[in-house]
Amino acid sequence: SQQGEEDPQALSIQEGENATMNCSYKTSINNLQWYRQNSGRGLVHLILIRSNEREKHSGRLRVTLDTSKKSSSLLITASRAADTASYFCATYSGNTPLVFGKGTRLSVIA
Amino acid sequence: DGGITQSPKYLFRKEGQNVTLSCEQNLNHDAMYWYRQDPGQGLRLIYYSQIVNDFQKGDIAEGYSVSREKKESFPLTVTSAQKNPTAFYLCASSMSRGSYGYTFGSGTRLTVV
Repeated sequence: SQQGEEDPQALSIQEGENATMNCSYKTSINNLQWYRQNSGRGLVHLILIRSNEREKHSGRLRVTLDTSKKSSSLLITASRAADTASYFCATYSGNTPLVFGKGTRLSVIA
Repeated sequence: DGGITQSPKYLFRKEGQNVTLSCEQNLNHDAMYWYRQDPGQGLRLIYYSQIVNDFQKGDIAEGYSVSREKKESFPLTVTSAQKNPTAFYLCASSMSRGSYGYTFGSGTRLTVV
């Protein structure tokens, strides 16, 4: 079962611009997590936001969570070519392991 | 350094063969997971284990089997009953089922020849 749905599916921006990705989900959650995957590699955990939190920062990353709209956004500021990757949201509802969305492919052009 | 190791990186399977993918972690994590990823798709859960000698089916367990005889190891066998096994397989571990982030291995790409 796919809980999270990322939008857009693909995003192409210039280096230095900000990148925003969105995630919508269907059922109530305990937390929502964002992961990055470089081509052909495993996923790397970026940030976790709990259901009672509205915003969280980590370096150039900013995550927001709106539980009333069942949505989250990931903002990467001042993007770099090295940020080129796929980004996945994953939700934890308390009774099963993480459920992942299909991801957003981000291309940052130097 | 603590981490999670998957091997082999590439695996080729002939029709009708069973193959086993290895996953080892030295993070002292209780929970381990196997996900399958198809091109342009998200991750789908195959099996997971929260404790030694116990495991549960995920969304797409048919044609796969697992064992958890040691805390550090969670091998996945792709059996001949899995009709479309060509995919990227990812193993992960965590301190709990979802309250903390998962640590992933670097994946095994399985191709049927």
